[in-house]
Amino acid sequence: DVKVTQSSRYLVKRTGEKVFLECVQDMDHENMFWYRQDPGLGLRLIYFSYDVKMKEKGDIPEGYSVSREKKERFSLILESASTNQTSMYLCASSWGADTQYFGPGTRLTVL
Amino acid sequence: KQEVTQIPAALSVPEGENLVLNCSFTDSAIYNLQWFRQDPGKGLTSLLLIQSSQREQTSGRLNASLDKSSGRSTLYIAASQPGDSATYLCAVLGPLSGTYKYIFGTGTRLKVLA
Repeated sequence: DVKVTQSSRYLVKRTGEKVFLECVQDMDHENMFWYRQDPGLGLRLIYFSYDVKMKEKGDIPEGYSVSREKKERFSLILESASTNQTSMYLCASSWGADTQYFGPGTRLTVL
Repeated sequence: KQEVTQIPAALSVPEGENLVLNCSFTDSAIYNLQWFRQDPGKGLTSLLLIQSSQREQTSGRLNASLDKSSGRSTLYIAASQPGDSATYLCAVLGPLSGTYKYIFGTGTRLKVLA
């Protein structure tokens, strides 16, 4: 079974803090994705990566950066957290245009 | 720009009913379409993936169809059960800037009453 894990299920941070969200997949997938999900807005793509050290901006990259130093690991970084980044963050991975597999999500609250 | 719409936003049905969830998309140039299920506070679970060359896919009580020319997909759930209660999302994958990006609908929240 494909497994995508995320470092935290719940996270509470203060405005201005640097926040790291980590995602690990165990299926040697080339593609990895970070989404945020907000009520009424659905899932929106923040960044994705199609290979180690390769990344592309999604629809809402502002205020975020990513890192992919190893194939199995994709990190999302909030350089200076703000209250409008309070959201559910979902990581996914896939092989090519095949099925996307999602992690359990991290609910981030920024106070 | 690809847009994905799911109607209705919410649906309540009695147990045992057969039901259809709808997904429409504006650009027919897609590689595939995927249906997901999401339980409250959880991640997404893939249910069915239909390639652009396929018309339908089946898994157990679920059947998904795809009509690319009209920009529509339906998810048919037979003999619904309370355990089917969840939010169902569809997503389309298409070429954009030479790389793969899924575009998601906002989902249909389904409640099956015992």
